[in-house]
Amino acid sequence: SYVLTQPPSVSVAPGQTARITCGGNNIGSKSVHWYQQSPGQAPVLVVFDDSDRPSGIPERFSGSNSGNTATLTINRVEAGDEADYYCQVWDISSDHVVFGGGTKLTVL
Amino acid sequence: QVQLVESGGGVVQPGRSLRLSCAASGFTFSSFTMHWVRQAPGKGLEWVALIWYDGRKIYYADSVKGRFTISRDDSKSTLYLQMNSLRGEDTAVYYCVRDHSVGTAMVDWLDPWGQGSLVTVSS
Repeated sequence: SYVLTQPPSVSVAPGQTARITCGGNNIGSKSVHWYQQSPGQAPVLVVFDDSDRPSGIPERFSGSNSGNTATLTINRVEAGDEADYYCQVWDISSDHVVFGGGTKLTVL
Repeated sequence: QVQLVESGGGVVQPGRSLRLSCAASGFTFSSFTMHWVRQAPGKGLEWVALIWYDGRKIYYADSVKGRFTISRDDSKSTLYLQMNSLRGEDTAVYYCVRDHSVGTAMVDWLDPWGQGSLVTVSS
């Protein structure tokens, strides 16, 4: 089955740029979606189709996808961005939704 | 506004059954593919199952296949998850989630999510 690999944690100072990666075999050929989950809350979609933002999500959030790595980039990180982030794809070969293991973003 | 409200969670003994419900409102339920996603305590997200908008296709994660059944009642705008032969590793918050795809046999992104229903499997 298809596997998505994320770093368990990323730390960044306020105002800096956070980059969270999501690795998968030829992931560039798939559409990648990203979710933010704050403690005790349900996940919220922050990027869909590799790089599009839902309404209400700040422009500081962006995404890219190429080759074997997709990346969620958060510019000018704020304390409120501290959360767990998950990437997700649809694996058509197995008819399964696949999530990455999640990355905990810590704002120093 | 779009709303998904799960119910039916609780504490259940290993080997027993439980049925979760998800009441949808604020959109045309029958037009959307729906999912269940779970999250064990302190762990990541795990997709459980999906049912196409027309109910013609249903897919399950390997970890629940043969034990769980996803279904929908479009007349009640309600999604269900029948969970049989429950195990300790099924302990999790179960989220009801709408797929973005409308009236098509595709799977896109998942949005929005319900608030979740906690299922605890313990003797």
